[in-house]
Amino acid sequence: HVQLQQSGPGLVKPSQTLSLTCGISGDTVSSNLSAWNWVRQSPSRGLEWLGRTYHRSRWHTDYSTFIKSRMSVNPDTSKNQFSLQLRSVTPEDTAVYYCVRAERTKGTFDIWGQGTLVTVSS
Amino acid sequence: DVMLTQSPLSLPVIPGEPASISCRSSQSLLHSNGYNYLHWYLQKPGQSPQLLIYLGSNRASGVPGRFSGSGSGTDFTLKISRVEAEDVGVYYCLQTVQPTWTFGQGTKVEIK
Repeated sequence: HVQLQQSGPGLVKPSQTLSLTCGISGDTVSSNLSAWNWVRQSPSRGLEWLGRTYHRSRWHTDYSTFIKSRMSVNPDTSKNQFSLQLRSVTPEDTAVYYCVRAERTKGTFDIWGQGTLVTVSS
Repeated sequence: DVMLTQSPLSLPVIPGEPASISCRSSQSLLHSNGYNYLHWYLQKPGQSPQLLIYLGSNRASGVPGRFSGSGSGTDFTLKISRVEAEDVGVYYCLQTVQPTWTFGQGTKVEIK
């Protein structure tokens, strides 16, 4: 039974870095059958895929074009988790952020974290 | 990026009646492996989205048989054969054929 547990602050000041972590149980971050994603949701922009990391002989990362310059997704094999860092945030980055597993045979997201509301405000 | 357009955006339903949601893509979602990389999710109030249908027509584990997905290429449909009260929420389609994955705008289903 796979579960994802998110952690991180709910309030970030403008121009600072948003950092979230997603702990994995029931799977491993280095699995060849899974990819580990961040998705966010806001009333104005809906659901947006942000980026992913996954291991297929070596580590790969992909990012959505609109956020690529500000974002990093990193695996941590020692803690079986992965993280999101979003730099230079503005109020438009206020959203619920989800960590999500994508399972290779289904070709899509199948397990979601509980979501973290992150507000960007001074 | 691939754009997905859902219709309708709001769908009042009567319990026991059928319901249908359309998702149209700006590009074909048919992969060379023969699968359509179009999936359906339901987000109930206060919850994370949950997978209903993957690869166009496959029901996810635990999803009731009243949900079905069909379509190919650029036109897809989610059908509920007989709506139940627990089916209310927002339904999203998602494409994963391109490296950048994109969602539809969502269709809000509520009891009439």
